[in-house]
Amino acid sequence: NAGVTQTPKFQVLKTGQSMTLQCAQDMNHNSMYWYRQDPGMGLRLIYYSASEGTTDKGEVPNGYNVSRLNKREFSLRLESAAPSQTSVYFCASMIGSLFEQYFGPGTRLTVT
Amino acid sequence: GENVEQHPSTLSVQEGDSAVIKCTYSDSASNYFPWYKQELGKGPQLIIDIRSNVGEKKDQRIAVTLNKTAKHFSLHITETQPEDSAVYFCAASRKTSYDKVIFGPGTSLSVIP
Repeated sequence: NAGVTQTPKFQVLKTGQSMTLQCAQDMNHNSMYWYRQDPGMGLRLIYYSASEGTTDKGEVPNGYNVSRLNKREFSLRLESAAPSQTSVYFCASMIGSLFEQYFGPGTRLTVT
Repeated sequence: GENVEQHPSTLSVQEGDSAVIKCTYSDSASNYFPWYKQELGKGPQLIIDIRSNVGEKKDQRIAVTLNKTAKHFSLHITETQPEDSAVYFCAASRKTSYDKVIFGPGTSLSVIP
């Protein structure tokens, strides 16, 4: 039982490049989330998926897209990376009835 | 909009002393208050939570208290150990809304041996 896994762990992009961050969970959770973490700002929600087949915007969705590929996988795509997207990205999943979130180890992204 | 404030931003204590972190929230509809611990290079991990129908909850050396009237909740760690050193986040959410989990900015706790 690996919990929530994320790939890659680190990534450096040039401005304008695109990339996809991958997330998978093996806990059979319905809900999945993407957050970004910046110094002194806690975690801010980018997008979430309450269940397979649905996605919704969070607090800071601009510049990102997501895909809920199946119940296990939820990917985050940056179409044209900007320096403001330099951050640590966390994926999380949740048992809907208990509202307890489980986080992955994070992806540290630098955009130059 | 809704927000969660957290104080202090940094906290340094001697091993064996107690540590207290305080949070306030603005959304009066919040009814679930989790606390997460984030060690260096890792994702946040849930350590304790409290629901709005409970005023206090304990788990070994960790306790959380909730004052819904004042919209305050606090984390208390007793007999601190060096392995308690981490960043702690409080959060507030409505159990009826999947997107309404608002995190505080975090408290960096250092336990000095």
